[in-house]
Amino acid sequence: DAKTTQPPSMDCAEGRAANLPCNHSTISGNEYVYWYRQIHSQGPQYIIHGLKNNETNEMASLIITEDRKSSTLILPHATLRDTAVYYCIPTTSGTASKLTFGTGTRLQVTL
Amino acid sequence: GAVVSQHPSWVICKSGTSVKIECRSLDFQATTMFWYRQFPKQSLMLMATSNEGSKATYEQGVEKDKFLINHASLTLSTLTVTSAHPEDSSFYICSAGRQGSNSPLHFGNGTRLTVT
Repeated sequence: DAKTTQPPSMDCAEGRAANLPCNHSTISGNEYVYWYRQIHSQGPQYIIHGLKNNETNEMASLIITEDRKSSTLILPHATLRDTAVYYCIPTTSGTASKLTFGTGTRLQVTL
Repeated sequence: GAVVSQHPSWVICKSGTSVKIECRSLDFQATTMFWYRQFPKQSLMLMATSNEGSKATYEQGVEKDKFLINHASLTLSTLTVTSAHPEDSSFYICSAGRQGSNSPLHFGNGTRLTVT
């Protein structure tokens, strides 16, 4: 599995964009970058994933560098409910592919 | 969207007893489910991969005789913590994916086990 590096914590003011970086320099060519988040005492929630191209959905945008060695998750207008631990996880696509969680980034959204 | 349900959401048991946790995929079939454990202030650690109709695959260091996994149908996997001890107190989480698709894995809301 590719190793990831994420900052342990970040703060963001409510209403502002939260940009969460992830370094995955050892990612394999067939591995996607998945992002999940875990709100306290809940199961992880899927956010978004991508292979090479930038992706956007109703929750977030994902920017992947051209060399695929890093990516950034963007929450365009953070709210207090976005306070959570965010994990980036390189893995092959498909429902049989296990997810290996690193330490993630604890995002604190403040008023 | 895909929903994974876990039951119970919390349980307290006495040392030496066994506890069963259920993980159900509510609106899809899942040939593979995954069981994780999470201790306070730590990340999720994969315990085992549960395969419908066959034996589970356990991660290194996880005792298969202590953590019994049964995946008898395409919508249900169970994890039984046998002869529980206080050090087994943890947050147990399952995940599942829709069979035959590339859709992402979805997680249950976890079961908090406290062994007294």
